Amino acid sequence: EVQLVESGGGLVQPGGSLRLSCAASGFTFSGYSMNWVRQAPGRGLEWVSYISTTGSAIYYADSVKGRFTGSRDNAKNSLFLQMNSLRAEDTAVYYCARFRAKSGEGYYMDVWGKGTSVAVSS
Amino acid sequence: EIVLTQSPGTLSLSPGERATLSCRASQSVSSTYLTWYQQKPGQAPRLLIYGASSRATGIPDRFSGSGSGTDFTLTISGLEPEDFAVYYCQQYGSSLFTFGPGTKVDIK
Repeated sequence: EVQLVESGGGLVQPGGSLRLSCAASGFTFSGYSMNWVRQAPGRGLEWVSYISTTGSAIYYADSVKGRFTGSRDNAKNSLFLQMNSLRAEDTAVYYCARFRAKSGEGYYMDVWGKGTSVAVSS
Repeated sequence: EIVLTQSPGTLSLSPGERATLSCRASQSVSSTYLTWYQQKPGQAPRLLIYGASSRATGIPDRFSGSGSGTDFTLTISGLEPEDFAVYYCQQYGSSLFTFGPGTKVDIK
């Protein structure tokens, strides 16, 4: 079964750090680019970060640029998001999602984890 | 940055009715790059439609997508009880990914 499982969320004070993980199974992880997407309480979806198959290309939303760092370990089928200088507005459920790019057909996120909750509060 | 606007914000319908959801982009979007997701409370988003009109695996044929350029539509031909949810459009482009604010389809 194709599966993504996030972990590492929790309660952290403003200015603090957290490292999220996403464990992939059931597919060849190294063959797919991955994304982090977050959802603040009662709000819509916000893309956070993209990482290519090898990790050579990583992109961030402006709202997290300079504070969050994405990485992956293909040998361990794992995706990571290091979050530093956290703010109250980073409070959200963080999802990892597999990216499919089919030229001429579509570019989309087809598999999502259940998410891990991050709360930034004093 | 391409901004996506979805309308209406909330759509109140009865089971069996037809739902028509709109997604409008601030600039032209290639159909290949337009995706629709469904999200139910407490659950992760679920891929519905990719490439503006292709149904994802396992998605019933009552869901259909159409449109081009700046105007895209998700249609649910006859609402089933499990279809009451929030629907998001999303585009992939130069700013990577942007999502629309969502349309909530609730029971009238």
